[in-house]
Amino acid sequence: DAKTTQPTSMDCAEGRAANLPCNHSTISGNEYVYWYRQIHSQGPQYIIHGLKNNETNEMASLIITEDRKSSTLILPHATLRDTAVYYCMFYSGGGADGLTFGKGTHLIIQP
Amino acid sequence: DSGVTQTPKHLITATGQRVTLRCSPRSGDLSVYWYQQSLDQGLQFLIQYYNGEERAKGNILERFSAQQFPDLHSELNLSSLELGDSALYFCASSFGQGGLNTEAFFGQGTRLTVV
Repeated sequence: DAKTTQPTSMDCAEGRAANLPCNHSTISGNEYVYWYRQIHSQGPQYIIHGLKNNETNEMASLIITEDRKSSTLILPHATLRDTAVYYCMFYSGGGADGLTFGKGTHLIIQP
Repeated sequence: DSGVTQTPKHLITATGQRVTLRCSPRSGDLSVYWYQQSLDQGLQFLIQYYNGEERAKGNILERFSAQQFPDLHSELNLSSLELGDSALYFCASSFGQGGLNTEAFFGQGTRLTVV
């Protein structure tokens, strides 16, 4: 069973904010949420991570709900180059899952 | 540039052969991860090493093996190759082994074609 749940695909207009949701209801108290993206056939790219506070960096913002069961990645001003598959995950180390990527959300930025 | 180097970038080989893929992690990173991505498929986690020791194991075939050396570079060995092994193979590295400091940085991949 997937550890996270994300929409299969989303569209967003260029220049608008893209908000990508993720449910991770089984996350435990000390596990960080990580977000990555993969532009077609390139190596995945780390975006941002957080524990329970909202985080912001030069690429995106991460909003984590108070119960930590879901989060939202925000790309504030989406460009065509942000078209990619976006993955959220959490990983505390070890086991068979490893740093496992689910199916992700295919974000398509429309001109 | 992620700082993770994978060689070779492309590899074409015949069925039944054996190949070795190499990964040099970012300076200071202790974990190395290997992934397989077939055409239009998701990233399949194969195996993770942390500071020379196996840390996590995913759906890695018995024909595949990996190791991490004392200088922290890693090699993925694929043997008795089949047509279905044709894929992109990615390596990633992180400082941590899980939890904090486990932001992973990926190489550009090795494209393996088995003919």
